[in-house]
Amino acid sequence: AQSVTQLGSHVSVSEGALVLLRCNYSSSVPPYLFWYVQYPNQGLQLLLKYTSAATLVKGINGFEAEFKKSETSFHLTKPSAHMSDAAEYFCAVSYTGGFKTIFGAGTRLFVKA
Amino acid sequence: NAGVTQTPKFRVLKTGQSMTLLCAQDMNHEYMYWYRQDPGMGLRLIHYSVGEGTTAKGEVPDGYNVSRLKKQNFLLGLESAAPSQTSVYFCASTCSGRACYNEQFFGPGTRLTVL
Repeated sequence: AQSVTQLGSHVSVSEGALVLLRCNYSSSVPPYLFWYVQYPNQGLQLLLKYTSAATLVKGINGFEAEFKKSETSFHLTKPSAHMSDAAEYFCAVSYTGGFKTIFGAGTRLFVKA
Repeated sequence: NAGVTQTPKFRVLKTGQSMTLLCAQDMNHEYMYWYRQDPGMGLRLIHYSVGEGTTAKGEVPDGYNVSRLKKQNFLLGLESAAPSQTSVYFCASTCSGRACYNEQFFGPGTRLTVL
């Protein structure tokens, strides 16, 4: 069975500070891993994905995530937060041949001026 | 391309009323999904479809029915709405090839309130 755990339902950073959103997964087969972002009153959009190629994945808006199999983690980072990064972020897992994607509970990112 | 669209955007129902949410996608995707989003619970899968004429239950299917009569449309029905169905509903779709990786494309959501 697959599952996703996002550590911290709320994260607050200052503008210009490092953003780190944590995600741990469990999967009995090699996973596909995703980060989605949801801005207020909008649907989710893909930020980046890991599909078994490079373990360090770069996404849109300066975000990146590193797949660490030994730690079963896929943490999302951005070196310098911008006010426009304030949103809810969801980590998700799927796998080859599967129809479903499992989503974490989400982490709301607040950016302080 | 419009991507994934959802109708309506907002709706208020009284307990016991029925309604249908419409999802349409113009990307020729095989797989379509209905999720509900509740605070602190992420997205939970209600029903999904792997092709025209097929549907399957997800994690929280009770109280909902779906139909996929055309490949581009996926309908979600509430036969007798309950306050517990107050939520934001998202439709999503993805292609079926190996290189699709189950990457989901989402609609803008429908905010439903049941009084």
